[in-house]
Amino acid sequence: DAGVIQSPRHEVTEMGQEVTLRCKPISGHDYLFWYRQTMMRGLELLIYFNNNVPIDDSGMPEDRFSAKMPNASFSTLKIQPSEPRDSAVYFCASSPGLGRFGQYFGPGTRLTVT
Amino acid sequence: GEDVEQSLFLSVREGDSSVINCTYTDSSSTYLYWYKQEPGAGLQLLTYIFSNMDMKQDQRLTVLLNKKDKHLSLRIADTQTGDSAIYFCAGGGRGEKLIFGQGTELSVKP
Repeated sequence: DAGVIQSPRHEVTEMGQEVTLRCKPISGHDYLFWYRQTMMRGLELLIYFNNNVPIDDSGMPEDRFSAKMPNASFSTLKIQPSEPRDSAVYFCASSPGLGRFGQYFGPGTRLTVT
Repeated sequence: GEDVEQSLFLSVREGDSSVINCTYTDSSSTYLYWYKQEPGAGLQLLTYIFSNMDMKQDQRLTVLLNKKDKHLSLRIADTQTGDSAIYFCAGGGRGEKLIFGQGTELSVKP
């Protein structure tokens, strides 16, 4: 398996623009997680899905953020409108269920909002 | 709520042992994990320990778990420059969530 795939790897956009980040989880994994990593706040869980259904979105910072998982092999995280404080690295991770396998992380999308 | 604490930096000489420490508040985690993050990359699972174990050894890695003190440590024997990275400990939160520490940046000097 190719692992968790994220696109784009880098995104630079202007404040106010819509940004869409994409993730393809590992086939057969029932759980998908979106994280944000910054120097100031470390690694934050934004939302996670189980069998395509959002389970916990308590980490989503505000209404400008939304996430969808239309099928088992694809998820998006959208920011509209984007702001400079959204600049961070966004990771997608998938898991077959917590146990000795933990979560498998993608390479991340580095987002810069100017 | 659940919390996981780590020291932020550790510097060692090549060939020495490194010990990275972690404390946690939630004792209900079934598994505890150590992840490694190299520059520009995602987190990679290094090893894990089941909560009813005290120690686990995996080649150069040794994980120690003190459940009474809620303390977890990762020892890397014969540390190499390629081990330079950020190391995160993580425990299970509610449901399938993982709670990560802030990460310890390990610097290995030749």
